[in-house]
Amino acid sequence: DIQMTQSPASLSASLGETVTIECRASEDIYNGLAWYQQKPGKSPQLLIYNANSLHTGVPSRFSGSGSGTQYSLKINSLQSEDVASYFCQQYYDYPTFGAGTKLELK
Amino acid sequence: QVKLQQSGAELVKPGASVKLSCKTSGYTFSTSYMSWFKQIPGQSIEWIGMIYAGDGGTGYNQKFKGKATLTVDTSSSTAYMDLSSLTTEDSAVYFCARSPMGIDWFAYWGQGTLVTVSS
Repeated sequence: DIQMTQSPASLSASLGETVTIECRASEDIYNGLAWYQQKPGKSPQLLIYNANSLHTGVPSRFSGSGSGTQYSLKINSLQSEDVASYFCQQYYDYPTFGAGTKLELK
Repeated sequence: QVKLQQSGAELVKPGASVKLSCKTSGYTFSTSYMSWFKQIPGQSIEWIGMIYAGDGGTGYNQKFKGKATLTVDTSSSTAYMDLSSLTTEDSAVYFCARSPMGIDWFAYWGQGTLVTVSS
């Protein structure tokens, strides 16, 4: 199994701030990485795939980067609607997810 | 547009089985892949397995072999997941999600089905 270590587990930020969430894979996943946003009681929503490709309709303040075993999701100019949990998922092997990051407003 | 509509919440007794459904529309079901996931509220997401609707071929997370069985009905564009020998550890929200090419990213998700296992 490829393990995904996601950090931080929780994050508090102010409106307009830039936040970064990290994911580290237990082995090289060759950019086979997606990021999701999930709000309480809802299904995950795809933000980024192939590590840095923005899914259709996702605001451009979201961006992904990384390679090898290290990946990150950046949210520029935090908006109130960005309060949610965020998960990374690798698909180089059968899908596994990070533990999640809960993003709250300060 | 693509829609995945899952069946309603289930309350089942320990030892019983349950069959969840995921009815799709808005795309060609018979040439697509469907995966299923488990999420205990407040926790992360686990991939259970996937099925190719074209031929019913399946792949499972080793952890869920023997627990979950995936099937499809192409005539109604519906995917199913049977969960057997349920225990309290199977209480969770289960999602179906479509992927473009099998094991990759998931752009379309059902709304989830809450399964509660309790006597």
